[in-house]
Amino acid sequence: DAGITQSPRHKVTETGTPVTLRCHQTENHRYMYWYRQDPGHGLRLIHYSYGVKDTDKGEVSDGYSVSRSKTEDFLLTLESATSSQTSVYFCAISARDRVGSPLHFGNGTRLTVT
Amino acid sequence: AQSVTQPDIHITVSEGASLELRCNYSYGATPYLFWYVQSPGQGLQLLLKYFSGDTLVQGIKGFEAEFKRSQSSFNLRKPSVHWSDAAEYFCAVGVRGNKLVFGAGTILRVKS
Repeated sequence: DAGITQSPRHKVTETGTPVTLRCHQTENHRYMYWYRQDPGHGLRLIHYSYGVKDTDKGEVSDGYSVSRSKTEDFLLTLESATSSQTSVYFCAISARDRVGSPLHFGNGTRLTVT
Repeated sequence: AQSVTQPDIHITVSEGASLELRCNYSYGATPYLFWYVQSPGQGLQLLLKYFSGDTLVQGIKGFEAEFKRSQSSFNLRKPSVHWSDAAEYFCAVGVRGNKLVFGAGTILRVKS
């Protein structure tokens, strides 16, 4: 494994509540990513970070925010969870800053919004 | 815009048979291409990657993939499938900003 820990691994929450997912890495990698995985869609990028306090939006960022105050931690927040955000969320990291560098993935967080 | 298409949602093969999973990409520049595998309840594991040079690349677990620029394809192959290969397979293209764009995935079932 690439030294990536996602927490929690499973969470059930109610519509309208805020939720924060955490990704912690021990590799000191610069790049970190949040993807969501849904059947028929593969993985889609929510947000990514290219350094401490440097973040940017991906293709499905609406309803999500992120923060990165330390190299090792990347937090994903659902400000007001909706049923459409029921998904499996994956964190990924990458050491290099050029196109084509492989991403290494955590084991995911399964989120259910009721 | 960049995209990846995996035409087959499910594929079933017999153990010991050969396997080919299809992947087509759309990207304006030189593509960086990847295949990942996901076992149930797990994250994604990198099988192989193509950057440049030899169009036939070897990966882990006996997999290989061939890049064909004229067909915009990067198909994954294995000569003899084992029951443990049952998983979901994702093709991806690397894009600007060191991000990956994924296909929808192909679920491989292996019959004994």
